Amino acid sequence: NAGVMQNPRHLVRRRGQEARLRCSPMKGHSHVYWYRQLPEEGLKFMVYLQKENIIDESGMPKERFSAEFPKEGPSILRIQQVVRGDSAAYFCASSPVQRGTYEQYFGPGTRLTVT
Amino acid sequence: GDSVTQMEGPVTLSEEAFLTINCTYTATGYPSLFWYVQYPGEGLQLLLKATKADDKGSNKGFEATYRKETTSFHLEKGSVQVSDSAVYFCALRGNAGGTSYGKLTFGQGTILTVHP
Repeated sequence: NAGVMQNPRHLVRRRGQEARLRCSPMKGHSHVYWYRQLPEEGLKFMVYLQKENIIDESGMPKERFSAEFPKEGPSILRIQQVVRGDSAAYFCASSPVQRGTYEQYFGPGTRLTVT
Repeated sequence: GDSVTQMEGPVTLSEEAFLTINCTYTATGYPSLFWYVQYPGEGLQLLLKATKADDKGSNKGFEATYRKETTSFHLEKGSVQVSDSAVYFCALRGNAGGTSYGKLTFGQGTILTVHP
């Protein structure tokens, strides 16, 4: 059973460009979470999605950031008009659908560098 | 809101030394508690968990006990190895029905370096 997959692993963007980060959850998992890890800090929750629904986006910046998890395909975290402060590692996690089993499994992360 | 506080690091130990990394939390109700480990350049791996008071999570020689009276979940290992060198994160997940249910709240992480 393949783990959570994220791509690209490393992404370099110039200020003002768009960044698209992809996350494929583990097979059978329909819950996806995105976290951001700034340099030398812990992970901060951004958004929690189920298929075609945003459940909790309380950690998402109000502007430039959006996330989706379509019926088919990976979850996408999109950052428009990136700035240097967006440089961070972005981690995706997934969990199974069974009630009471909400262990989150993490992907290897995408390291975004804004130049 | 929920919060997790870890002891400040980094922590440097010799091989076979005893390890303790302190973790305390603030949350309403009965959260679930976790320790994750992150090796260089990799994502987080679940190390152990506890879902109710007095539960003890254990894995690979690491242990942590859910202490509701002191709101703590300290990580311990009796004899560390060089291969244990990594960053360790304490985390909580709010109880079902609360607004924080689902997401994990992390501490700031503790860097552990073990020397031969």
